[in-house]
Amino acid sequence: DGGITQSPKYLFRKEGQNVTLSCEQNLNHDAMYWYRQDPGQGLRLIYYSQIVNDFQKGDIAEGYSVSREKKESFPLTVTSAQKNPTAFYLCASSMGRGDPYFFGQGTRLTVV
Amino acid sequence: RKEVEQDPGPFNVPEGATVAFNCTYSNSASQSFFWYRQDCRKEPKLLMSVYSSGNEDGRFTAQLNRASQYISLLIRDSKLSDSATYLCVVPTNFGNEKLTFGTGTRLTIIP
Repeated sequence: DGGITQSPKYLFRKEGQNVTLSCEQNLNHDAMYWYRQDPGQGLRLIYYSQIVNDFQKGDIAEGYSVSREKKESFPLTVTSAQKNPTAFYLCASSMGRGDPYFFGQGTRLTVV
Repeated sequence: RKEVEQDPGPFNVPEGATVAFNCTYSNSASQSFFWYRQDCRKEPKLLMSVYSSGNEDGRFTAQLNRASQYISLLIRDSKLSDSATYLCVVPTNFGNEKLTFGTGTRLTIIP
């Protein structure tokens, strides 16, 4: 079945450590996105990529980094520079401009 | 005006009733609109796409008013399983490069 897969579902890390969240899609979508959601809050865009080897900062990119070396994959690294990394992270993909997004199941990151 | 604005609710509605939400948007060039549903601690899931004046899918109807720049979602004969947060989504900019998600309207269906 086609879909978008995020792993792991739950992740615990110590403060000061970098951590990488995986996002893979087999929908043949060109565009991929990373969002962060805090309890009771809306989605905030971290980074997005419209095409392989290219990506743009979203509204809250500070403390995060991404790469887009393959069409299927868009990993997100949460660095130690991110002040409040504990959150629900959602990856999405779409065919292109103006098309709906399809989301992975999310990764719940807790930094202790 | 904010890019997307929704009444956060909560809407507490008895089972079987009809409920409607509105969403206003600022980008007058937007061509496509979406409603998503998000259950607690889950990912958002696409409920309906709206490309012209409206769309209907079973008990759900979405309508678009371009002149007033709002879209609405109507749920008829509401079920307990309709309890969720409903997100209004519109293209952000002139190039429709990315979508902006509203903060959502929380709906609880009461038995």
